[in-house]
Amino acid sequence: QQQVKQSPQSLIVQKGGISIINCAYENTAFDYFPWYQQFPGKGPALLIAIRPDVSEKKEGRFTISFNKSAKQFSLHIMDSQPGDSATYFCAASHWGKLQFGAGTQVVVTP
Amino acid sequence: GAVVSQHPSRVICKSGTSVKIECRSLDFQATTMFWYRQFPKQSLMLMATSNEGSKATYEQGVEKDKFLINHASLTLSTLTVTSAHPEDSSFYICSARGLADLYNEQFFGPGTRLTVL
Repeated sequence: QQQVKQSPQSLIVQKGGISIINCAYENTAFDYFPWYQQFPGKGPALLIAIRPDVSEKKEGRFTISFNKSAKQFSLHIMDSQPGDSATYFCAASHWGKLQFGAGTQVVVTP
Repeated sequence: GAVVSQHPSRVICKSGTSVKIECRSLDFQATTMFWYRQFPKQSLMLMATSNEGSKATYEQGVEKDKFLINHASLTLSTLTVTSAHPEDSSFYICSARGLADLYNEQFFGPGTRLTVL
């Protein structure tokens, strides 16, 4: 039973474009919402994270938007680059345990 | 940033043998370590949570007698896959969290690819 639903499953974006990935959750006890980037054969790496008392967080080209009432959050990747081609996972944490979304494979074309 | 290592990075073994995977936090003390399994093209699934000096807590559906976890020190946790079978072939990833981490951030290792023949 997926506690965090992620969409789309895959995404193709041109270099310089914006990649948008969406996640939704049901458990209102979640208190930490990170995004991870994973390259093939590697472990996931933390990209950016947000807590529910903040509606938006920006770090470089990456922005998280958080809508507590809708129980949704999203990742925006601005000015997408070929090096951003990877699988992205959203996650939600309660008592330190992470529940991951299904993942989105992003391909940035030159 | 905090670094977590895993050893080995990949292992191939015969069916019926046991395999041990090590997870180390290199520059911080990890009070809690997590073990995940990831099948190809799928998400990470939490297998168990271990706190230093105590027994691991396994997620529903994970056989604790098959996946033995030891967290004997603040920098080392081990996962032993006992009597491995081909269906245990997967990518095993550990993560570690320090005591001072107020935001529940977990630092992930590079993963171990297990192939059981």
